[in-house]
Amino acid sequence: QVQLQQWGAGLLKPSETLSLTCAVYGGSFSGYYWSWIRQPPGKGLEWIGEINHSGSTNYNPSLKSRVTISVDTSKNQFSLKLSSVTAADTAVYYCARGVVVAEGLGIYYYYMDVWGKGTTVTVSS
Amino acid sequence: SSELTQDPAVSVALGQTVRITCQGDSLRSYYASWYQQKPGQAPVLVIYGKNNRPSGIPDRFSGSSSGNTASLTITGAQAEDEADYYCNSRDSSGNHLGVFGGGTKLTVL
Repeated sequence: QVQLQQWGAGLLKPSETLSLTCAVYGGSFSGYYWSWIRQPPGKGLEWIGEINHSGSTNYNPSLKSRVTISVDTSKNQFSLKLSSVTAADTAVYYCARGVVVAEGLGIYYYYMDVWGKGTTVTVSS
Repeated sequence: SSELTQDPAVSVALGQTVRITCQGDSLRSYYASWYQQKPGQAPVLVIYGKNNRPSGIPDRFSGSSSGNTASLTITGAQAEDEADYYCNSRDSSGNHLGVFGGGTKLTVL
């Protein structure tokens, strides 16, 4: 059974860089999109970005200038860095395993089936 | 703003059937996936693909899709189904970026 364990600093000052890591246990690292999602207090889920095992990334355009997602296949880990944080980046950050399946005729499945427990990140001076 | 649109809140009487909908152009190419989130917990996948339930999800949860609208149906809602529900897909730009709906708060009366 695949499990994701995530960790990183929970309290940052404005302008610092958020850094989180997610380790994958119990399953293959290849063939999936390793994703980061966040949820500000009292608000909905926001997709941040993803990376596959070969290092190909996709980022939310609203965060793209500040986000870097990287992968360490030797450790089955992937990481999120978000630079120049502000109070608006205060949120619970989740890592998740993304799956894309081509059904054919231009139709796809996309879903995230395994999630980390979340890390609360607070940005405050 | 989200490219997937959900009603902010829906209510259902205990034991009755409720449908939660999600609209967006990308749903013509991607099946929506649906997540249940209870307070203080990580989201849990409840429906993916055409109408697939992960192991452990009760069969009272089902999914359907027509055109640009995806639906999550709970047949015989239970008290424990009270939660926030989010739909998820790729965006409609063709860049294969993830996107969530704004979420629907389900109240079981």
